[in-house]
Amino acid sequence: DGGITQSPKYLFRKEGQNVTLSCEQNLNHDAMYWYRQDPGQGLRLIYYSQIVNDFQKGDIAEGYSVSREKKESFPLTVTSAQKNPTAFYLCASSSRDRYYNEQFFGPGTRLTVL
Amino acid sequence: LAKTTQPISMDSYEGQEVNITCSHNNIATNDYITWYQQFPSQGPRFIIQGYKTKVTNEVASLFIPADRKSSTLSLPRVSLSDTAVYYCLVADGRNTPLVFGKGTRLSVIA
Repeated sequence: DGGITQSPKYLFRKEGQNVTLSCEQNLNHDAMYWYRQDPGQGLRLIYYSQIVNDFQKGDIAEGYSVSREKKESFPLTVTSAQKNPTAFYLCASSSRDRYYNEQFFGPGTRLTVL
Repeated sequence: LAKTTQPISMDSYEGQEVNITCSHNNIATNDYITWYQQFPSQGPRFIIQGYKTKVTNEVASLFIPADRKSSTLSLPRVSLSDTAVYYCLVADGRNTPLVFGKGTRLSVIA
């Protein structure tokens, strides 16, 4: 089955620790995205990448870092510099064949800072 | 980026047709209109996309007037399982990523 996977589903972190969220896709999509969603809010873009070894900051990139060494993988690191990291994190991918507008989302990772 | 405006919430009874209208007054020539559906604790799911006139698929219809300054998502005969948040997005999809607003929270009542 083709799809996009995220792990772990739930993650707990102590203040001051960095943590990395995994995102993998086997859809052969060119572009990948990371979003953050807070309760009752829409999605906010953290980073996106349209090609391997290249990525751009979204609206709320501060305190986060990403890498895109492989087409299938786009991990997100939440650093200790992120002041309020508790949120629901969603990864997505899309293909240039659909003008990038049809994004496929993973199941999400819920991060809680203790 | 073209800004969109849509109602914060809507209620409907089962079996009714639901129309959610989105306003996008400054839509650009190259922009497409895309709608997503999101259930609690899940990622959004693509529903439909259009450029002008009417688009229909197995899930919904999208009506776009000639001036493209608004669009209407139509869900026929909704059921309880259609209770979700619906997002309207406008983007050319080439150089700019999608921007998700707060969406419209649809509640379907038995």
